Amino acid sequence: DTAVSQTPKYLVTQMGNDKSIKCEQNLGHDTMYWYKQDSKKFLKIMFSYNNKELIINETVPNRFSPKSPDKAHLNLHINSLELGDSAVYFCASSQGGSSVQTQYFGPGTRLTVL
Amino acid sequence: GESVGLHLPTLSVQEGDNSIINCAYSNSASDYFIWYKQESGKGPQFIIDIRSNMDKRQGQRVTVLLNKTVKHLSLQIAATQPGDSAVYFCAEGGLNYQLIWGAGTKLIIKP
Repeated sequence: DTAVSQTPKYLVTQMGNDKSIKCEQNLGHDTMYWYKQDSKKFLKIMFSYNNKELIINETVPNRFSPKSPDKAHLNLHINSLELGDSAVYFCASSQGGSSVQTQYFGPGTRLTVL
Repeated sequence: GESVGLHLPTLSVQEGDNSIINCAYSNSASDYFIWYKQESGKGPQFIIDIRSNMDKRQGQRVTVLLNKTVKHLSLQIAATQPGDSAVYFCAEGGLNYQLIWGAGTKLIIKP
């Protein structure tokens, strides 16, 4: 059984388009995250939700909008895609709580903007 | 700002030898440290973690050492195998329950 899953795995689109990436976790975790990994493998936190509430919102263009319909899902919608949005996007989840917990990652979505 | 960094971006090791991947951190208030392995085309995978009340923790073929005096973290992999080829990340537990990530070290196994 896949613990953290993302769809699609690959996404190729034109500049200016709007696209969404979906994430689901079946671990019963309370906290979910979106990360962006650039070509140099650097991982940058974008958002974090705890029980459907936004708790981390790093300096990310407002073209990026996360949505959490329930605590098992955290989707990422991107408006007006730009070339610089090309990257691998990872969803992750953790138990949450009063201290930092281990995060479990999905397989990633490779976004290519042409 | 706070940061976690790695000394070596690429490490080549002979198959069967031990690997040591190093990491420096700057936030002395961090109390949680973790290592991840990322294979090509996959997401980061948890390897081992350690809390600041410990100096050493062992797993299966892996050992994490924490030196709080010099703010240094290392991952030791015993008897390195081809399947250990990956990018390894260290991360520290920072404020707001975030993980602060290092830049990653690519481990290459020579046959």
